[in-house]
Amino acid sequence: DTGVSQNPRHKITKRGQNVTFRCDPISEHNRLYWYRQTLGQGPEFLTYFQNEAQLEKSRLLSDRFSAERPKGSFSTLEIQRTEQGDSAMYLCASSLAGTGAMNTEAFFGQGTRLTVV
Amino acid sequence: AQKVTQAQTEISVVEKEDVTLDCVYETRDTTYYLFWYKQPPSGELVFLIRRNSFDEQNEISGRYSWNFQKSTSSFNFTITASQVVDSAVYFCALTSSNTGKLIFGQGTTLQVKP
Repeated sequence: DTGVSQNPRHKITKRGQNVTFRCDPISEHNRLYWYRQTLGQGPEFLTYFQNEAQLEKSRLLSDRFSAERPKGSFSTLEIQRTEQGDSAMYLCASSLAGTGAMNTEAFFGQGTRLTVV
Repeated sequence: AQKVTQAQTEISVVEKEDVTLDCVYETRDTTYYLFWYKQPPSGELVFLIRRNSFDEQNEISGRYSWNFQKSTSSFNFTITASQVVDSAVYFCALTSSNTGKLIFGQGTTLQVKP
């Protein structure tokens, strides 16, 4: 396994269109995170999954955003009716956690850069 | 509320100089973890180190060293004898929940000139 994989690497879309990104985590990792990073800023947490359950969502995640992780493997992040303010780098990370325990460090993918025109 | 502050936006040094990146954090939790990540132009965040709140020992890994001081809520990162390949954006991050959710600073862009 070569790490966290994200596709596509780049996406240009017109305002109002829907887009979907995919993240394949490190295979044995049970936690998967989505972050958003805008230019000159640090990544901001969007949501995370433990196995297939989505356990927390940030208030940054508007109703136009939805994330899934069927079967606790890969995850998708969909943005409906994209707006120019959605332009950012979307980063996925995965980690391994035991029940009730602090998890290991998160490993990040290379991100999907979204440009909404 | 939790917060991570990296006051240095950009640092420029000449190769072989030592450089220290500052990180100050805020949390009310007694158990927490601090991290440093490197983000090269390719975009991927590369994990460098994790330190828990009960371990204030400084750590050295090759040319990298970290100074964790709870008294000043700081977790500074020093690169000794910098190299051009060290040029990147460096992020300090904090988590204190069992979710592992990371709170990042704004990052410090390090430019190492030959």
